[in-house]
Order: sequence, then C-alpha cells, then structure tokens
Amino acid sequence: DIQLTQFPSLLSASVGDRVTITCRASQGISTSLAWYQQKPGKAPEVLIYAASTLQSGVPSRFSGSGFGTEFTLTISSVQPEDFATYYCQQFNDYPVAFGPGTRLEIK
Amino acid sequence: EEQLVESGGGLVRTGGSLRLSCTASGFTFRTDTVNWVRQAPGKGLEWVSSISSDSVWIYYADSVRGRFTISRDNARNSLYLQMNSLSVEDTGVYFCTRGGRWDGRYMQWGQGTLVTVSS
Repeated sequence: DIQLTQFPSLLSASVGDRVTITCRASQGISTSLAWYQQKPGKAPEVLIYAASTLQSGVPSRFSGSGFGTEFTLTISSVQPEDFATYYCQQFNDYPVAFGPGTRLEIK
Repeated sequence: EEQLVESGGGLVRTGGSLRLSCTASGFTFRTDTVNWVRQAPGKGLEWVSSISSDSVWIYYADSVRGRFTISRDNARNSLYLQMNSLSVEDTGVYFCTRGGRWDGRYMQWGQGTLVTVSS
C-alpha cells in the first residue's frame, strides 16, 4: 500500500505570509495527487488535483506542484479564511490513502 | 444544485450493525464512482470504501473488509454502507463522496453522518 506523509503537521503563519506544505509518497505516484482543505465541523473541499490543477472556483493564491514522490501545496498570501487543516490524497492505486494532515494556524 | 446527503448514523453498541445511506441529487449519479470516507473525532481522514458506477469494481480498506459492505442503487440515486460487527474504532463522521481515480479527486462531499459505537 502507498503511504503518505505530510510536513509540517502544524504551521503557524500570519496573514499575507507565503506558506508551503509538503506531501511525500512511499512510492512513485506520477501526478495522481489531490489536496483538500477542511475547516472545523465541515466536510473537506478539493483545492488541487492531478498535483497542480486548480479546482474550479478555488482562489489562484493556491498552487500545487510535484511528481513521483514529493509534492507541495503553496498559498502565496495567506488570507484569514485559509486557516484550516490541509490533507493530501493519492489516486495512483487503491487504497486511495490520505495524508495525516497539516493544520495551518494563526501566528 | 449538486448535493450528497447522508443519513442513518447514530449510537450503537459494540458488535452491532448500522446501515448508512447517501442520496444524490443535481447530477447524473449513475455515471460516477462514489465512496465512503470517515473521520474519527479529532483525527484525520480515512478512506473506507469505493464502488464504481456499475458496481463492478468495489474496494475496501483493510480495517473494514469483511465487516462493511458498500452498495448502490442507481435507480434511486443512492449509495449505502452496511456496517456489521462494529467496534469503538469505527466511531466517527462518515462522509459520502463523489469521484475516483479517473477524476483524480473527490469533487463533492456530503455533510457527513455521525456514527458512535459504545461498549
């Protein structure tokens, strides 16, 4: 099974900061990776798929990159509504595992 | 409006059973892969099971295989999860999702239904 790790697990930032979250796969998954944002008490929402494709309606300050085993999610200028938990998910093969999550908190 | 609405959650004793339902509206349900994802209190997301549009391909997480059964009724725009032999580790919010490997993402999620397993 493919395992995903994320780091950092906790990220402190101020509004306007540029932040990057990393997701690493235990084996190569090409670009079969998605990123989600989850706010407390809500269902997750997809931000990025195929490693770098922005989901329709998602602000352009979010971007994704990577191939193979290492992927990043970048927020170019953090906004107040971006403080949430972020998860990666691989779709290369079943089981389609999620990463453990990165919580973005206000500094 | 495209929507997924889960129901059937509740409180159940260890060893008991529960059947979750998810009703879809606003899109062509019969053409999509659909899935169940769960989240234990204060924890991360865990994929549970997936079923293809025609029910030919079905997958389960190791943690539920042999105890849970996923099914769908395309005529009723509905997805189901029959959960047997429940343990406290199965406690959490269960989300119905739409999308799969070909989509490269879960593009739609329901609001979730809470399952609490108590001894």
